[in-house]
Amino acid sequence: KAGVTQTPRYLIKTRGQQVTLSCSPISGHRSVSWYQQTPGQGLQFLFEYFSETQRNKGNFPGRFSGRQFSNSRSEMNVSTLELGDSALYLCASSLAGGKDYTFGSGTRLTVV
Amino acid sequence: AQSVAQPEDQVNVAEGNPLTVKCTYSVSGNPYLFWYVQYPNRGLQFLLKYITGDNLVKGSYGFEAEFNKSQTSFHLKKPSALVSDSALYFCAVRDPNSGNTPLVFGKGTRLSVIA
Repeated sequence: KAGVTQTPRYLIKTRGQQVTLSCSPISGHRSVSWYQQTPGQGLQFLFEYFSETQRNKGNFPGRFSGRQFSNSRSEMNVSTLELGDSALYLCASSLAGGKDYTFGSGTRLTVV
Repeated sequence: AQSVAQPEDQVNVAEGNPLTVKCTYSVSGNPYLFWYVQYPNRGLQFLLKYITGDNLVKGSYGFEAEFNKSQTSFHLKKPSALVSDSALYFCAVRDPNSGNTPLVFGKGTRLSVIA
C-alpha cells in the first residue's frame, strides 16, 4: 500500500513569507500528526488532527497552524516565517488508538 | 507527563560486534514504546514497538528491544552490527492512559558502525 506522502520535499522561503506543507496519510488512517525536527531541539510535536478536528497541540506560536480535510489529507501553514523555522517537517499517519505511526519523508524548509 | 531519554548522543561500534542503544522512559502507567531509524535527508523508518505482551520485541533488520518495566527501559539491540546500520536512532513513548497524548521522542542517538 502507498505510504505517507509529503509535498513538497524541499522549500526555500524568505523571512516574512508564509508557507503551506501537505501530508497525505495512508489510506484508511484518520489521524495525522506533525513534527518539527531541528538539530538543536530534536523532534518536537506540533499538532495532531483526527477526523478533521485538532486533537492535540504542541507548544508552538500561533504562526503555526494546520487543518485536515474530509479525505484525511492534512496541511500545515506557517505564517511570517522566521530564520528559526528552518527545519525538517515530518508528518505521521496512524489509525485511531495510537499504536502505530508511519512517517513521511518530510519537507525540508529553509528560510533565508 | 510522559518523557523519554536517550542518554548517549553517539554510539560507536565495530562491524560484527553487538550494539546497544539505550532508552529510558517515564509514564504514569504502561507505555507504548517505539524505535525509529533515520537516514540522512529521510523521514523516520519504523523498527519495532512494544504495546503489550512479550517483553522481548523483534523488529526489522535484525533489531530487537527488551521492555523492562522495573528499570523503565527499552534498549535497542542487535547481535552483529553492520556498517549500513549507521544512522540516527530515536526512541519514542506514548502514554495510552492519558487521553489523546502525542508520541514523544528522545533526542536521538547517532550510531556509527566502523568497518
